Amino acid sequence: EVQLVESGGVVVQRGGSLRLSCAASGFNFGDFAMHWVRQAPEKGLDWVSVISWDGGATYYADSVKGRFTISRDNSKNSLFLQMNDLRPEDTAFYYCVKGSGYNYGYPLGHWGQGTSVTVSS
Amino acid sequence: EHVLTQSPDTLSLSPGERATLSCRASQIVYSNYLAWYQHKPGQAPRVLIHGASSRATGIPDRFSGSGSGTDFTLTISRLEPDDFAVYYCQQYGSAPLAFGQGTRLDNK
Repeated sequence: EVQLVESGGVVVQRGGSLRLSCAASGFNFGDFAMHWVRQAPEKGLDWVSVISWDGGATYYADSVKGRFTISRDNSKNSLFLQMNDLRPEDTAFYYCVKGSGYNYGYPLGHWGQGTSVTVSS
Repeated sequence: EHVLTQSPDTLSLSPGERATLSCRASQIVYSNYLAWYQHKPGQAPRVLIHGASSRATGIPDRFSGSGSGTDFTLTISRLEPDDFAVYYCQQYGSAPLAFGQGTRLDNK
């Protein structure tokens, strides 16, 4: 059974930094692209970033480019999101999502339960 | 960057009725790599349709997707009580990926 468990969400001040983690199990982690998707309170889904199966390709939403960095450690079945220069508009639940293929050109598959990030002003 | 606009924002229908949800992209979606997701409160979103018209594994055939280029449609032929949720379209043909703002399907 695919399991994705996010951690690292906290309350942080504007301009601060945070690192989210996602522990994956139940599938060959190194074979699949992985995404971060967020949902702000009472808002819709907002795609954040994707990393290819081997970490060789990364892409970001314009709203986070230059501030967030996605990475992975296939030896530890782990996905990360380094978030710098945080803004109140980054406040959201952040979901770790397994892609259906090795890069971004596949639909999203399994989702974690999310971790809450609150940026105070 | 693609912008996906869904319409309507809210759709109020009754069980047994037909639902038609639209998604318009600001640019052509590469290879019609357009997916539809259903999202219920407290649950993870689940993919219904990928490649604009292919049903995901285990999705009942009352859900169908159509369209190409920039205009896409999700149709639910006969609504069941379990279908009332928020529906999102998403393009995955080019980066950055993007979701539409969602259509809330309400039980009238």
